[in-house]
Amino acid sequence: AQSVTQLDSQVPVFEEAPVELRCNYSSSVSVYLFWYVQYPNQGLQLLLKYLSGSTLVESINGFEAEFNKSQTSFHLRKPSVHISDTAEYFCAVRNYGGATNKLIFGTGTLLAVQP
Amino acid sequence: GAGVSQTPSNKVTEKGKYVELRCDPISGHTALYWYRQSLGQGPEFLIYFQGTGAADDSGLPNDRFFAVRPEGSVSTLKIQRTERGDSAVYLCASSAGGWDTQYFGPGTRLTVL
Repeated sequence: AQSVTQLDSQVPVFEEAPVELRCNYSSSVSVYLFWYVQYPNQGLQLLLKYLSGSTLVESINGFEAEFNKSQTSFHLRKPSVHISDTAEYFCAVRNYGGATNKLIFGTGTLLAVQP
Repeated sequence: GAGVSQTPSNKVTEKGKYVELRCDPISGHTALYWYRQSLGQGPEFLIYFQGTGAADDSGLPNDRFFAVRPEGSVSTLKIQRTERGDSAVYLCASSAGGWDTQYFGPGTRLTVL
């Protein structure tokens, strides 16, 4: 069965500092990988995704994530965070092909950016 | 354009009651999903519709939960004989096709007293 592990439930960081949110997955088949963000009092929004091709994917607001197949990881990074990045971040996987396209989510990481 | 909408935004009910939660997907999206997010957890898959039919209902926890999508657009999640453990945020998502990006609604917060 597939699973997603986000070991850090909370990551406090000062504004303009770099940050890495860790995501590891377990799957016996090829997967697609996603990061979703949930800002306070808002719904889940897609931040970035890896489907195929380059293992490094970027979002429009400066986040990037790298798919590492050997380490089964898809860590999210940003070189310099802003107060407005404060949110809950969820990593998710989905089977490549197969009968279902449901997303399997991790438990989330709260990124708390402090001034 | 309009995103996924869900009504009501909040629902408080008593143990044993019946509730219906509604989801309006993005216009033209053929795929619709329901997830449940308990406090401190990530969303957990419940059911997936492709058109009017449930293509995967493996996430429904028991037979008290049922969902329909009779015309291939709006969907209703129905919970019978609610229990306190059903308290959670129920999320709906839609996608243009079965394998396209899923866009989420704001959720319905269900509280069972």
